[in-house]
Amino acid sequence: ETGVTQTPRHLVMGMTNKKSLKCEQHLGHNAMYWYKQSAKKPLELMFVYNFKEQTENNSVPSRFSPECPNSSHLFLHLHTLQPEDSALYLCASSQLQGGNSPLHFGNGTRLTVT
Amino acid sequence: AQKVTQAQTEISVVEKEDVTLDCVYETRDTTYYLFWYKQPPSGELVFLIRRNSFDEQNEISGRYSWNFQKSTSSFNFTITASQVVDSAVYFCALNDNYGQNFVFGPGTRLSVLP
Repeated sequence: ETGVTQTPRHLVMGMTNKKSLKCEQHLGHNAMYWYKQSAKKPLELMFVYNFKEQTENNSVPSRFSPECPNSSHLFLHLHTLQPEDSALYLCASSQLQGGNSPLHFGNGTRLTVT
Repeated sequence: AQKVTQAQTEISVVEKEDVTLDCVYETRDTTYYLFWYKQPPSGELVFLIRRNSFDEQNEISGRYSWNFQKSTSSFNFTITASQVVDSAVYFCALNDNYGQNFVFGPGTRLSVLP
């Protein structure tokens, strides 16, 4: 399997649930990212991991908790979410070697919080 | 701070028409990288092209062409003889020379009608 794979593709959860989003990249990249895409809003960078170390956290609420056990896997743990957290969550990877490396995205997880 | 503007929110064209998607960027860096991505209804952002700030040559790839002009800070994307399969949201993005400051524009939704 190649590219960036995200599971599940769709997720519906109540505000009191705990769930996790999973991302796996098969490209040999050293950096992984979580982005949030809401309707009518630009792509928002949530977290960046470089060689498994978190290097960016753009003031994301603590109800979102990332985990990067190795350079190929990235998780986003969700708990006590709000309806406004409903969005498309996109995982991406890149080979960090300066700014010329493009991001490679997965298909995303469409999250609905009820 | 870096910024990307895509003034066209939505564009509709009839199949076989040519269409140009505008992108204007702001940066204080002398070295930077510009990208275009396509997001079809499936959700995945597909990387189309990368340009560095020192290379102002226009590029053509099949029906796609890109016009980079530093003098106007623009990186426009033209689709020639559009097809229904070109219907998608297109994002322009800017990254700095260090590689972790990807900034996306708000996207332009292109609808190609048969």
